[in-house]
Amino acid sequence: KAGVTQTPRYLIKTRGQQVTLSCSPISGHRSVSWYQQTPGQGLQFLFEYFSETQRNKGNFPGRFSGRQFSNSRSEMNVSTLELGDSALYLCASTTGAGQGFRGANVLTFGAGSRLTVL
Amino acid sequence: GENVEQHPSTLSVQEGDSAVIKCTYSDSASNYFPWYKQELGKRPQLIIDIRSNVGEKKDQRIAVTLNKTAKHFSLHITETQPEDSAVYFCAASLAAGNKLTFGGGTRVLVKP
Repeated sequence: KAGVTQTPRYLIKTRGQQVTLSCSPISGHRSVSWYQQTPGQGLQFLFEYFSETQRNKGNFPGRFSGRQFSNSRSEMNVSTLELGDSALYLCASTTGAGQGFRGANVLTFGAGSRLTVL
Repeated sequence: GENVEQHPSTLSVQEGDSAVIKCTYSDSASNYFPWYKQELGKRPQLIIDIRSNVGEKKDQRIAVTLNKTAKHFSLHITETQPEDSAVYFCAASLAAGNKLTFGGGTRVLVKP
């Protein structure tokens, strides 16, 4: 089956602009998480969506937001871009089933969207 | 919140030797500990994971051990090969959610 698909793969923006990234999870996966990867800060959790609801949120400013649609596809948006937002944004999906369920928490990552802010 | 520390940050080994990466976590409620391998320019891929009701798990040349009392877990790679060269990340989370807290990563170089 198809893996986690992220679009676009690469994009360049300037400071002050906004950007929207898209993630299509593995078929049947209802949980989508977003992570920011930078050389300095490593992999940091942004937020998780399950059944169109934000279930967990990391420590990022309100400029970072997301949503999930009824087909489990998710988007994240960053407004008023800053130079420090340059990063690889990774999306990961999982079944989202509860504790004790085989495969719970096992995240499969997409290839990422590499954002460069000039 | 959870904090995960990972050591060493870089590791160079001769092909055929073993590699060990260690992680410590702060939240005693964490009960799921995956390890991801990320090759240059590629996505992180799960290589092995362990849950808190198990002390050790093996998969061919890879093993993970967990010490809940000390709140640390380790990745062991035996008979290393050049294709093991990559960045390895440990992580911790609560089973009830899918928020992973990652360690800082270990760059492993296997020299032929």
